[in-house]
Amino acid sequence: KAGVTQTPRYLIKTRGQQVTLSCSPISGHRSVSWYQQTPGQGLQFLFEYFSETQRNKGNFPGRFSGRQFSNSRSEMNVSTLELGDSALYLCASSFGGRQYFGPGTRLTVL
Amino acid sequence: SQQGEEDPQALSIQEGENATMNCSYKTSINNLQWYRQNSGRGLVHLILIRSNEREKHSGRLRVTLDTSKKSSSLLITASRAADTASYFCATIYLIQGAQKLVFGQGTRLTINP
Repeated sequence: KAGVTQTPRYLIKTRGQQVTLSCSPISGHRSVSWYQQTPGQGLQFLFEYFSETQRNKGNFPGRFSGRQFSNSRSEMNVSTLELGDSALYLCASSFGGRQYFGPGTRLTVL
Repeated sequence: SQQGEEDPQALSIQEGENATMNCSYKTSINNLQWYRQNSGRGLVHLILIRSNEREKHSGRLRVTLDTSKKSSSLLITASRAADTASYFCATIYLIQGAQKLVFGQGTRLTINP
């Protein structure tokens, strides 16, 4: 099976813009989680989707949102970007309690 | 914070030596997982140990779990340059009826040739 894929791999935006990141889980996996990784805060949980429903949410402002489609693909959106949103955004699909991570999207906000 | 804490934050050893990393967590868990991350890339699952297990092996990896001390350790034996990476422990917490995977801050391991 193909692994978790994320697009784009790298992205540069300016403050105030919005961005949409995409994640395709492993075939058959219905749960998709998103994480933000920064040097200062480490790996922080953003949200989890299961069967098109947000099942769990971390402590992030409402500028961070997501959705999941019927084919389990997921997108996350960040509106009104701030410099502090620069990070590696990781997506993971899960099965049997184990998470399978994609390579991440490196977002730089200028 | 519900995150686990890892110790040490950074570890540098010579190739061939053993590397030990420790993780402590705060509340009861069902299982604890270890992941590896090569620089700036996605995480790779290494091993999962359940709360009723005390030790688990996978190749050159050995994980122990002490639920009374709320701690786990990851031992990498006969280290290789390719083991250079960051290592994270992760625990699943039940929060408001939903499971959340929470990662520690990680240990940055450097293997010197």
